Amino acid sequence: AQTVTQSQPEMSVQEAETVTLSCTYDTSESDYYLFWYKQPPSRQMILVIRQEAYKQQNATENRFSVNFQKAAKSFSLKISDSQLGDAAMYFCARNGGATNKLIFGTGTLLAVQP
Amino acid sequence: DAGVIQSPRHEVTEMGQEVTLRCKPISGHNSLFWYRQTMMRGLELLIYFNNNVPIDDSGMPEDRFSAKMPNASFSTLKIQPSEPRDSAVYFCASSFVLGEQYFGPGTRLTVT
Repeated sequence: AQTVTQSQPEMSVQEAETVTLSCTYDTSESDYYLFWYKQPPSRQMILVIRQEAYKQQNATENRFSVNFQKAAKSFSLKISDSQLGDAAMYFCARNGGATNKLIFGTGTLLAVQP
Repeated sequence: DAGVIQSPRHEVTEMGQEVTLRCKPISGHNSLFWYRQTMMRGLELLIYFNNNVPIDDSGMPEDRFSAKMPNASFSTLKIQPSEPRDSAVYFCASSFVLGEQYFGPGTRLTVT
C-alpha cells in the first residue's frame, strides 16, 4: 500500500525552541513531491513547504526546513524559533507521481508552550 | 488572487435533504479535488478532476454522492439524500499540473 506515516500523534515545544516532526512514506515511484501542510484551529489547510524528490537539496521556507532522506523514505519537518502561532495540526503528504492525488498522513498535533 | 472559494462555509440540514457544496478554484489551475475530513477517518480524497474531466472518483463513498465540474471555474459536490454520517468538513483544493494543492476554507456540514 502507498502510505504516509506520522508516528507522533502529539508534540510539544517551548516558544523559541526547535521541534522536529517525523514523516515516513512508501512509494514505488522515482519522481514525486512531498508536502507539509498546517491546519490551525481555523481548519484552513495551509501549505508550509514542498520538496521535489529529484532534488537532493533540502527545502527551506524561513523558519521551516525539511530533512529529506530519499533512500530511507523519510521527510521530517523542522520548525526553528517556534512561535505561538505555529500551534496546529501538521500533515505530511505525498503526491502520486504521475497523478496529482495527495496521500496524507494522520497528522501531528503541535502545541507551543509560552 | 482570492484563493480557492467555497460556499457555504456552514451547512446544517436534516437527514434526507439534498446538499450542494460549491467550489471556485484558483484561476489558471487545471486540477480540482474534493476532500472530506472527519475525526474517525482523517482526510479522504473523494474525487478529482483534470481539465474539468473526472479522473478518479474511487473515493466517493456511495451513489448518494455526485460531483460535477461544468467549467474551469466552478465545481459542485452534491449529496442526495444526506445522512447524519455525512457530517464532516468538506474541502475543495486546486492545483496546476503536478504542483502543490491549495485548499479552500472548507464547508462544515452537519446533518441532523
